[in-house]
Amino acid sequence: EAQVTQNPRYLITVTGKKLTVTCSQNMNHEYMSWYRQDPGLGLRQIYYSMNVEVTDKGDVPEGYKVSRKEKRNFPLILESPSPNQTSLYFCASSFAGAFNQPQHFGDGTRLSIL
Amino acid sequence: AQSVTQLGSHVSVSEGALVLLRCNYSSSVPPYLFWYVQYPNQGLQLLLKYTTGATLVKGINGFEAEFKKSETSFHLTKPSAHMSDAAEYFCAVINSGGSNYKLTFGKGTLLTVNP
Repeated sequence: EAQVTQNPRYLITVTGKKLTVTCSQNMNHEYMSWYRQDPGLGLRQIYYSMNVEVTDKGDVPEGYKVSRKEKRNFPLILESPSPNQTSLYFCASSFAGAFNQPQHFGDGTRLSIL
Repeated sequence: AQSVTQLGSHVSVSEGALVLLRCNYSSSVPPYLFWYVQYPNQGLQLLLKYTTGATLVKGINGFEAEFKKSETSFHLTKPSAHMSDAAEYFCAVINSGGSNYKLTFGKGTLLTVNP
């Protein structure tokens, strides 16, 4: 089954404790992206990757890091989490090369930073 | 820069009634438009998309949307609401002239279906 898998689904942690949210897709997609969803703001892009070792900032990259060492994985790293990073996070992937390709989303990771 | 406006953060309809969710966009280049649905505790699922060609687009679960360039709109409709349609709906646009496949989302419309 084609899917985007995120882990963990839920996490409560404390300010300053490094954490990683993993994202893996099994569709051989080149493009992967992270969004955060906040009430009243919709979804905003954090980082994206056009392919292995190619990453770039989205609209709200501050406080986040990413890496793309393998095609299927695109982890989101919070080196020193702060309460304003409490949010619902989604990973998405699609084929590159055409803007009409639908993006597939994971089920989300709800982070609470205390 | 592109943007998406969804009119009405909350829409409530009766079961069997027409569903109309409004979406207006701005884009300096021909847009690709999408509607996604989000059920509780789930990710976003693609309902339908407009890229080129026919302006009336049919999607899953009986939904359809019409691209109207003159009105910069892409409203989502369904003739008869079902209880299972209760969810949050997001309109999104991709800038076809960019180098990032970033989806710019509206703020979402929560659809409630009353029995």
